[in-house]
Amino acid sequence: ETGVTQTPRHLVMGMTNKKSLKCEQHLGHNAMYWYKQSAKKPLELMFVYNFKEQTENNSVPSRFSPECPNSSHLFLHLHTLQPEDSALYLCASSQDRGSSRYGYTFGSGTRLTVV
Amino acid sequence: DQQVKQNSPSLSVQEGRISILNCDYTNSMFDYFLWYKKYPAEGPTFLISISSIKDKNEDGRFTVFLNKSAKHLSLHIVPSQPGDSAVYFCAASSAGNNRKLIWGLGTSLAVNP
Repeated sequence: ETGVTQTPRHLVMGMTNKKSLKCEQHLGHNAMYWYKQSAKKPLELMFVYNFKEQTENNSVPSRFSPECPNSSHLFLHLHTLQPEDSALYLCASSQDRGSSRYGYTFGSGTRLTVV
Repeated sequence: DQQVKQNSPSLSVQEGRISILNCDYTNSMFDYFLWYKKYPAEGPTFLISISSIKDKNEDGRFTVFLNKSAKHLSLHIVPSQPGDSAVYFCAASSAGNNRKLIWGLGTSLAVNP
């Protein structure tokens, strides 16, 4: 139990499907993040939520839609994805946005394959 | 342009010896540096960090050294153990960038028994 739980662990979806990734943290943290990890690229920050408010969107295409109903839950809604969106999607949390210096706690990720 | 560079994609070390993982950065505004460790099928795990006001931080078998003039940091693991085999990521942040973590590509460490 890492404290940050992501489901599903693996997802295969067609380009016309709609699916959602879920992240839940049990650490009492107030900041949550979505990252994308593609082969041969650094970890890419997608979205940041601090106290349930989205504070950062790093030019992510609208086919990715985040939702943060409360400080413990974070979703990433996916629709009409492209094969190049296949990657490992990681959720992370930290005490708050400014305390990332103390390290994030990551979930195990969702391995997404778009066919 | 990568601001945090880990130029060695992989490293192989014998059990019991020292592992040295290197990281270079280009942004002089970075004032906090972190190392993460990642096993396959798991998310990265925070390992150790260092503030720019220090040049060394030690935690058990792990020591991070910072050379600000060279914009270089290194992670030393001694003695190395087979369980240390993983991908190690270097990350950096600055107050001026809202503490956004900038990541390197990672170095895959293999510790051979």
